[in-house]
Parts: sequence; C-alpha cells; structure tokens
Amino acid sequence: RKEVEQDPGPFNVPEGATVAFNCTYSNSASQSFFWYRQDCRKEPKLLMSVYSSGNEDGRFTAQLNRASQYISLLIRDSKLSDSATYLCVVPSWGKLQFGAGTQVVVTP
Amino acid sequence: NAGVMQNPRHLVRRRGQEARLRCSPMKGHSHVYWYRQLPEEGLKFMVYLQKENIIDESGMPKERFSAEFPKEGPSILRIQQVVRGDSAAYFCASSLLTSVAFREQYFGPGTRLTVT
Repeated sequence: RKEVEQDPGPFNVPEGATVAFNCTYSNSASQSFFWYRQDCRKEPKLLMSVYSSGNEDGRFTAQLNRASQYISLLIRDSKLSDSATYLCVVPSWGKLQFGAGTQVVVTP
Repeated sequence: NAGVMQNPRHLVRRRGQEARLRCSPMKGHSHVYWYRQLPEEGLKFMVYLQKENIIDESGMPKERFSAEFPKEGPSILRIQQVVRGDSAAYFCASSLLTSVAFREQYFGPGTRLTVT
C-alpha cells in the first residue's frame, strides 16, 4: 500500500458546481496534513494546512477523518481558475510525502 | 520577501556530463529540501539539509547524486554522469524550521533537466 493515495481523476466539474475528493494515508501517527495545488507541473503551491479535524478557507474546505485515515478536499462554487492538480501531502519527519495528485478540470 | 529561487530554470545536458542545480531558500529559512518529479509521476523526496548538515538523504540515489547546503551561498544538487532517466523537474523547498510539529514548506519554480 502506498503511503499516500489519491484518485487521479480527472474530475470534470461545471463552473459553479461543488467537487470533493479524498486522500488516504497509511501512517496512523501522522498529525498534520496539507493540500497543495500544482498547475501544469509548475511548482506546488500550499493551499491548506490541516492540523485538527478540518479547516475552511473561503470556497475550500478540508476535512480530516483520523479513524478512517483520510483527508478530503471540497471546492464550492468552482471557478475556471480552480482547474489544477491537487496534491495531498503528509509530512514524515521533516520530509513531505506526496500523493500522485487528483486532476480537476472546471468547464464553462 | 523573495520566494525560493532556483537556477537555472532549464538545463540541457548530454549523457555523461554533470548537472549542477542551485537553490536559494526564502529569507530566514534554514531548512532546504529537494524533490524530483519524473514525467507523469508525483513528487518524490530526495534530501533534506540544514546549513552544513545533511539531515535525511533517504531519497537520494546511491550513486552519482550529491547535495550540499554550505554556510554561505545556495544549496547545490549535483548529478554526475547524467543519464536519460535523470530527465525530470527538480524542485527545491524551504521551511522556517521543522520538528515533529511540522512547518509548511514553500517551493521554488523548479529546474527542468533534460538529458540528451
């Protein structure tokens, strides 16, 4: 089993709709989690940090389920600019373990 | 506050040559990390350095790859005798400090290495 697993997608989302996707992790001792976004294989950019049960930032909501060892990301009122690959990231003693990413394509 | 800087942005090397990639962390950051992203794959950790120290190099290939972060100047990732399989995007990240209570890492624009 991989350390961090994500559905690769693509998730095709009409503009204005809501999309949600999950990430599962294998290390039950992990305490913090991150969502990064990557555009066209440019540098990953930090989107959200999750240290407790969840976090909300505008249209983006991250939820953490420790019992089932998954993190979800929900995007409300999708914009065309939300089209990107979303990377689930689990820190491990300083280094980051990346999922392979979930591709989201927002269509007009 | 300038972000993480990497140069060159694009590097072309012939098989057997050396590639040298540079990374300057964000101001005030003393922790540097290198990641590699092969075509059609996710990012993989390579090495974690502090000034003059290698903290974790568990992701570095055993041969031809080395990294340093000197007291003065940028961090350097060196690949000797490059092969076609080394073609990838190499990203550097930096953080303010790290511990078990992790701190966010911020990424540079990457160096895209092409080996011909």
